[in-house]
Amino acid sequence: GEDVEQSLFLSVREGDSSVINCTYTDSSSTYLYWYKQEPGAGLQLLTYIFSNMDMKQDQRLTVLLNKKDKHLSLRIADTQTGDSAIYFCAEINQAGTALIFGKGTTLSVSS
Amino acid sequence: DAMVIQNPRYQVTQFGKPVTLSCSQTLNHNVMYWYQQKSSQAPKLLFHYYDKDFNNEADTPDNFQSRRPNTSFCFLDIRSPGLGDAAMYLCATSSRDRGLEQYFGPGTRLTVT
Repeated sequence: GEDVEQSLFLSVREGDSSVINCTYTDSSSTYLYWYKQEPGAGLQLLTYIFSNMDMKQDQRLTVLLNKKDKHLSLRIADTQTGDSAIYFCAEINQAGTALIFGKGTTLSVSS
Repeated sequence: DAMVIQNPRYQVTQFGKPVTLSCSQTLNHNVMYWYQQKSSQAPKLLFHYYDKDFNNEADTPDNFQSRRPNTSFCFLDIRSPGLGDAAMYLCATSSRDRGLEQYFGPGTRLTVT
C-alpha cells in the first residue's frame, strides 16, 4: 500500500545544516511535498518538487529526489531556532485525489 | 490576504454531544479537505469535496459527516463524539490545476470530556 516513512527526530545546532529524509512507496507520484508545522498551528507548504526533477533549491531550502530509491530529502542551510518545528513529507495517492503524509520529523534547533 | 480560516480554534464537547467545526476559505479553491491529526501522528484524511462532489475515505467512521453549502464553506459534523475523537482537525484547500498543492487552516483542537 501507499506509505511515507520519515525519521522521527533530528537535533542540530544553530547555524548548522539540517537534512530531513523521507522514503515513499508510490513511484507514480507526480509531485512530492514538504510541509512545516509549528506548535498548535496548521501545516504550511514549504516547497515541492516535480517527479522529473532531481533537485530544487529555494533560498535556504534544497530538495533532493532520488526516484530510483524513492528517497526524498530536505536540506535547510544555516538552520535557525525559528526552524524548530515538525516537517512532513507527502506524496500524492494513487488515485491522484489526496496527499499521504509521513508521521513527521521533529527538528530541534539549539543555540 | 487569501486564507483558510477555521472556527473555533479550540472546542470542548461532552461525550456523545454533537459538535460542528467550520472552515472557510477566500482562495476560491474547488477542493476542500478535512484531516484528523492525533498527537505525534500524520494528518489522516477523513474526506474531501471536489466542488460539490463528496469523497469519503473508506476507513472514515460513519460518526463523521461533512457539508459544503457553497464554495467558501465546509463543515465537519461529529454526531456522537467519543474520547478517541479528541484530536486536531485540519481543513485544507487546493485547486485541481495546481497539483494538489494544499493550503491548510490553523486547525481546531477538539477536546472530549
